[in-house]
Amino acid sequence: QLVESGGGLVQPGGSLRLSCGASGFTFRSYAMNWVRQSPGKGLEWVSSISGSGGNTYIADSVKGRFTISRDNSKSTLYLQMNRLGAEDTAIYYCGVTSDKCDVWGQGTKVTVSP
Amino acid sequence: DIQMTQSPSTLSASVGDRVIITCRASQSISRWLAWYQQRPGKAPKVLIYQASTLESGVPSRFSGSGSGTEFTLTISSLQPDDFATYYCQQYNSFFRTFGQGTKVEIK
Repeated sequence: QLVESGGGLVQPGGSLRLSCGASGFTFRSYAMNWVRQSPGKGLEWVSSISGSGGNTYIADSVKGRFTISRDNSKSTLYLQMNRLGAEDTAIYYCGVTSDKCDVWGQGTKVTVSP
Repeated sequence: DIQMTQSPSTLSASVGDRVIITCRASQSISRWLAWYQQRPGKAPKVLIYQASTLESGVPSRFSGSGSGTEFTLTISSLQPDDFATYYCQQYNSFFRTFGQGTKVEIK
Protein backbone atom coordinates (compact mmCIF):
# COMPACT_ATOMS: atom_id res chain seq x y z
CA GLN A 1 0.00 0.00 0.00
CA LEU A 2 1.16 3.50 -0.84
CA VAL A 3 -0.15 6.59 0.93
CA GLU A 4 0.87 10.03 -0.27
CA SER A 5 0.73 13.13 1.90
CA GLY A 6 2.04 16.66 2.05
CA GLY A 7 0.06 18.22 -0.76
CA GLY A 8 -1.79 21.49 -0.40
CA LEU A 9 -1.97 25.10 -1.50
CA VAL A 10 1.31 26.94 -1.91
CA GLN A 11 2.20 30.32 -3.35
CA PRO A 12 4.28 30.68 -6.51
CA GLY A 13 7.96 30.45 -5.66
CA GLY A 14 7.25 28.41 -2.56
CA SER A 15 8.31 24.93 -1.51
CA LEU A 16 6.57 21.73 -0.51
CA ARG A 17 7.71 18.27 0.48
CA LEU A 18 5.59 15.31 -0.49
CA SER A 19 5.82 12.02 1.37
CA CYS A 20 4.76 8.53 0.39
CA GLY A 21 4.45 5.90 3.11
CA ALA A 22 4.78 2.31 1.94
CA SER A 23 3.64 -0.90 3.54
CA GLY A 24 3.10 -4.53 2.60
CA PHE A 25 6.40 -5.04 0.78
CA THR A 26 10.14 -4.84 1.42
CA PHE A 27 10.54 -1.17 0.65
CA ARG A 28 14.32 -1.09 0.24
CA SER A 29 14.17 -3.76 -2.46
CA TYR A 30 12.17 -1.72 -4.94
CA ALA A 31 12.67 1.35 -7.06
CA MET A 32 10.13 4.10 -6.49
CA ASN A 33 8.69 6.79 -8.71
CA TRP A 34 6.69 10.00 -8.80
CA VAL A 35 4.35 10.97 -11.60
CA ARG A 36 1.91 13.86 -11.81
CA GLN A 37 -1.26 14.77 -13.61
CA SER A 38 -2.23 18.37 -14.24
CA PRO A 39 -5.96 19.20 -14.28
CA GLY A 40 -7.54 17.67 -17.34
CA LYS A 41 -4.20 16.44 -18.69
CA GLY A 42 -2.35 13.17 -19.07
CA LEU A 43 0.23 11.50 -16.86
CA GLU A 44 3.74 12.92 -16.69
CA TRP A 45 6.67 11.08 -15.15
CA VAL A 46 8.55 13.27 -12.64
CA SER A 47 11.29 11.25 -10.95
CA SER A 48 12.55 7.80 -10.00
CA ILE A 49 14.96 6.44 -7.40
CA SER A 50 16.64 3.07 -7.04
CA GLY A 51 16.01 0.81 -4.07
CA SER A 52 19.19 1.84 -2.29
CA GLY A 53 18.63 5.48 -3.09
CA GLY A 54 22.00 5.66 -4.78
CA ASN A 55 20.62 6.42 -8.22
CA THR A 56 18.06 9.10 -8.99
CA TYR A 57 16.46 10.25 -12.22
CA ILE A 58 14.55 13.45 -12.81
CA ALA A 59 12.48 14.88 -15.66
CA ASP A 60 13.87 17.90 -17.47
CA SER A 61 10.70 19.87 -16.62
CA VAL A 62 11.56 19.83 -12.90
CA LYS A 63 15.34 19.40 -12.93
CA GLY A 64 17.07 21.78 -10.55
CA ARG A 65 13.85 22.39 -8.60
CA PHE A 66 12.66 18.94 -7.45
CA THR A 67 14.62 16.31 -5.53
CA ILE A 68 13.61 12.72 -4.91
CA SER A 69 14.85 10.84 -1.87
CA ARG A 70 13.92 7.92 0.34
CA ASP A 71 14.35 6.74 3.89
CA ASN A 72 14.42 2.96 3.83
CA SER A 73 14.36 2.78 7.63
CA LYS A 74 10.98 4.52 7.54
CA SER A 75 9.70 2.95 4.30
CA THR A 76 9.04 6.45 3.03
CA LEU A 77 9.60 8.17 -0.29
CA TYR A 78 9.93 11.94 -0.59
CA LEU A 79 9.69 14.61 -3.24
CA GLN A 80 11.13 17.99 -2.29
CA MET A 81 9.66 20.65 -4.57
CA ASN A 82 11.19 24.13 -4.66
CA ARG A 83 10.50 27.25 -6.71
CA LEU A 84 7.02 26.06 -7.51
CA GLY A 85 5.07 27.59 -10.36
CA ALA A 86 1.53 27.37 -11.68
CA GLU A 87 2.67 24.65 -14.09
CA ASP A 88 3.36 22.39 -11.10
CA THR A 89 -0.29 22.33 -10.08
CA ALA A 90 -1.25 18.66 -10.29
CA ILE A 91 -2.08 15.48 -8.49
CA TYR A 92 1.15 13.75 -7.58
CA TYR A 93 1.18 9.96 -7.46
CA CYS A 94 3.91 7.86 -5.95
CA GLY A 95 4.52 4.44 -7.38
CA VAL A 96 6.52 1.30 -6.74
CA THR A 97 8.22 -0.65 -9.50
CA SER A 98 6.98 -4.09 -8.56
CA ASP A 99 8.09 -7.39 -10.10
CA LYS A 100 5.48 -6.70 -12.78
CA CYS A 101 5.33 -2.95 -13.51
CA ASP A 102 4.71 0.35 -11.77
CA VAL A 103 1.83 0.45 -9.29
CA TRP A 104 0.49 3.82 -8.20
CA GLY A 105 -0.92 5.23 -4.96
CA GLN A 106 -4.03 7.37 -4.67
CA GLY A 107 -2.22 10.68 -5.07
CA THR A 108 -1.92 14.01 -3.27
CA LYS A 109 -3.05 17.30 -4.74
CA VAL A 110 -0.72 20.26 -5.11
CA THR A 111 -2.11 23.66 -6.02
CA VAL A 112 0.22 26.56 -6.76
CA SER A 113 -1.69 29.82 -6.58
CA PRO A 114 -1.29 33.33 -5.09
CA ASP B 1 14.05 9.96 -23.97
CA ILE B 2 11.64 7.39 -25.34
CA GLN B 3 8.49 8.94 -26.80
CA MET B 4 5.18 7.07 -26.67
CA THR B 5 2.56 7.87 -29.31
CA GLN B 6 -0.91 6.61 -28.43
CA SER B 7 -3.95 6.64 -30.70
CA PRO B 8 -6.70 7.51 -30.96
CA SER B 9 -6.99 10.28 -28.39
CA THR B 10 -10.75 9.83 -28.17
CA LEU B 11 -12.86 6.86 -29.12
CA SER B 12 -16.65 6.71 -29.25
CA ALA B 13 -18.03 3.22 -28.98
CA SER B 14 -21.10 1.26 -27.93
CA VAL B 15 -21.51 -1.50 -25.39
CA GLY B 16 -20.47 -4.75 -27.02
CA ASP B 17 -18.06 -3.15 -29.49
CA ARG B 18 -14.52 -4.39 -29.99
CA VAL B 19 -12.10 -1.61 -29.19
CA ILE B 20 -8.43 -1.36 -30.17
CA ILE B 21 -5.97 1.23 -28.84
CA THR B 22 -2.46 1.44 -30.22
CA CYS B 23 0.79 2.66 -28.74
CA ARG B 24 4.05 3.21 -30.59
CA ALA B 25 7.46 3.69 -28.97
CA SER B 26 10.14 5.86 -30.56
CA GLN B 27 12.66 3.07 -29.99
CA SER B 28 12.50 -0.55 -28.98
CA ILE B 29 11.29 -1.18 -25.44
CA SER B 30 11.17 -4.98 -25.80
CA ARG B 31 8.02 -5.91 -23.86
CA TRP B 32 8.38 -3.37 -21.08
CA LEU B 33 4.97 -1.83 -21.60
CA ALA B 34 1.99 -1.52 -19.31
CA TRP B 35 -1.59 -0.43 -19.91
CA TYR B 36 -3.53 1.49 -17.27
CA GLN B 37 -7.17 2.40 -16.89
CA GLN B 38 -8.04 5.64 -15.15
CA ARG B 39 -11.46 6.75 -14.05
CA PRO B 40 -12.15 10.42 -13.13
CA GLY B 41 -10.70 11.30 -9.75
CA LYS B 42 -8.97 7.95 -9.36
CA ALA B 43 -5.44 6.66 -9.64
CA PRO B 44 -4.34 4.71 -12.71
CA LYS B 45 -5.05 1.02 -12.37
CA VAL B 46 -2.89 -1.67 -14.00
CA LEU B 47 -4.63 -3.74 -16.64
CA ILE B 48 -1.76 -5.31 -18.57
CA TYR B 49 1.96 -5.53 -17.88
CA GLN B 50 4.93 -6.80 -19.89
CA ALA B 51 2.86 -6.03 -22.98
CA SER B 52 0.49 -8.97 -22.75
CA THR B 53 0.16 -10.28 -19.20
CA LEU B 54 -3.24 -9.68 -17.67
CA GLU B 55 -3.12 -8.31 -14.15
CA SER B 56 -4.85 -10.47 -11.56
CA GLY B 57 -8.52 -9.61 -11.24
CA VAL B 58 -8.78 -7.82 -14.58
CA PRO B 59 -11.55 -9.19 -16.85
CA SER B 60 -10.39 -11.41 -19.69
CA ARG B 61 -12.04 -9.15 -22.28
CA PHE B 62 -8.89 -7.02 -21.95
CA SER B 63 -5.82 -8.20 -23.83
CA GLY B 64 -2.50 -6.76 -24.89
CA SER B 65 -0.07 -7.60 -27.65
CA GLY B 66 3.09 -6.38 -29.30
CA SER B 67 6.79 -6.03 -28.71
CA GLY B 68 9.59 -3.73 -29.75
CA THR B 69 7.86 -0.54 -30.82
CA GLU B 70 4.25 -1.46 -31.65
CA PHE B 71 1.65 -2.38 -29.04
CA THR B 72 -2.11 -2.74 -28.84
CA LEU B 73 -4.73 -2.93 -26.13
CA THR B 74 -7.92 -4.70 -27.15
CA ILE B 75 -11.23 -4.77 -25.34
CA SER B 76 -13.10 -7.63 -26.96
CA SER B 77 -16.62 -6.57 -25.91
CA LEU B 78 -16.93 -3.14 -24.34
CA GLN B 79 -18.86 -3.04 -21.08
CA PRO B 80 -20.40 -0.04 -19.28
CA ASP B 81 -17.65 -0.19 -16.65
CA ASP B 82 -14.99 0.26 -19.36
CA PHE B 83 -15.78 3.85 -20.26
CA ALA B 84 -12.64 5.52 -18.94
CA THR B 85 -9.26 6.83 -20.09
CA TYR B 86 -6.48 4.40 -20.98
CA TYR B 87 -2.74 5.04 -20.94
CA CYS B 88 0.22 3.07 -22.13
CA GLN B 89 3.52 3.45 -20.28
CA GLN B 90 7.01 2.24 -21.08
CA TYR B 91 9.23 1.09 -18.23
CA ASN B 92 12.21 -0.02 -20.27
CA SER B 93 14.12 2.83 -18.70
CA PHE B 94 14.04 4.67 -15.37
CA PHE B 95 12.95 7.66 -17.49
CA ARG B 96 9.35 6.55 -17.74
CA THR B 97 7.04 7.92 -20.41
CA PHE B 98 3.33 7.65 -20.96
CA GLY B 99 1.16 7.81 -24.02
CA GLN B 100 -1.15 10.80 -24.32
CA GLY B 101 -4.17 8.75 -23.27
CA THR B 102 -7.30 7.46 -25.00
CA LYS B 103 -10.66 8.49 -23.66
CA VAL B 104 -13.30 5.85 -24.41
CA GLU B 105 -16.70 7.50 -24.56
CA ILE B 106 -20.22 6.23 -24.96
CA LYS B 107 -21.47 6.50 -28.53
